Amino acid sequence: NAGVTQTPKFQVLKTGQSMTLQCAQDMNHEYMSWYRQDPGMGLRLIHYSVGAGITDQGEVPNGYNVSRSTTEDFPLRLLSAAPSQTSVYFCASSYSGRATDTQYFGPGTRLTVL
Amino acid sequence: AQKITQTQPGMFVQEKEAVTLDCTYDTSDPSYGLFWYKQPSSGEMIFLIYQGSYDQQNATEGRYSLNFQKARKSANLVISASQLGDSAMYFCAMRFNRDDKIIFGKGTRLHILP
Repeated sequence: NAGVTQTPKFQVLKTGQSMTLQCAQDMNHEYMSWYRQDPGMGLRLIHYSVGAGITDQGEVPNGYNVSRSTTEDFPLRLLSAAPSQTSVYFCASSYSGRATDTQYFGPGTRLTVL
Repeated sequence: AQKITQTQPGMFVQEKEAVTLDCTYDTSDPSYGLFWYKQPSSGEMIFLIYQGSYDQQNATEGRYSLNFQKARKSANLVISASQLGDSAMYFCAMRFNRDDKIIFGKGTRLHILP
């Protein structure tokens, strides 16, 4: 049981480049989400999905796109990377979006934008 | 507005002592869940313990317990008999039934001294 997986672990981009951070889970969880973690800021929600075909914005969605074509996968796209997007990105999943459901996290992707 | 506050940016504790990490929250929603996560220096987010807003008993998981005081809107994490491996960043988080979002505090960095 792999849980939540993320690729790549590390990535360096130049300003203006695009890329996709991959996230997959094998727990049949309906709810998936993306966070960014910056020093002193905790984790901030970027986008989330309550099921295949449904996505919504979190606290800091600007500069990021998501889609959810399958239950298992929830990729995060940076269309034109900016230095302000340098951060550690975490994907997480839970059975549903209910208050009682525990979120499980992937190992994270450390992104640097030069 | 919904908010989580962790007032201790850093703590130093002697090994084998008990530790209390503070978490206060603000919400008008009567139905919510409270979670604590540990982030060691390796970076992964590890789920520790959960408390529901309607739970009558304080949650416990091994050496971890949650001191839930609903009227004071606090959900402090207590670690008994601290160990060197408890040195990490600790995050308090809250999620709601009313919407699908989850919010995190900014974290407390715990250092266990030998």
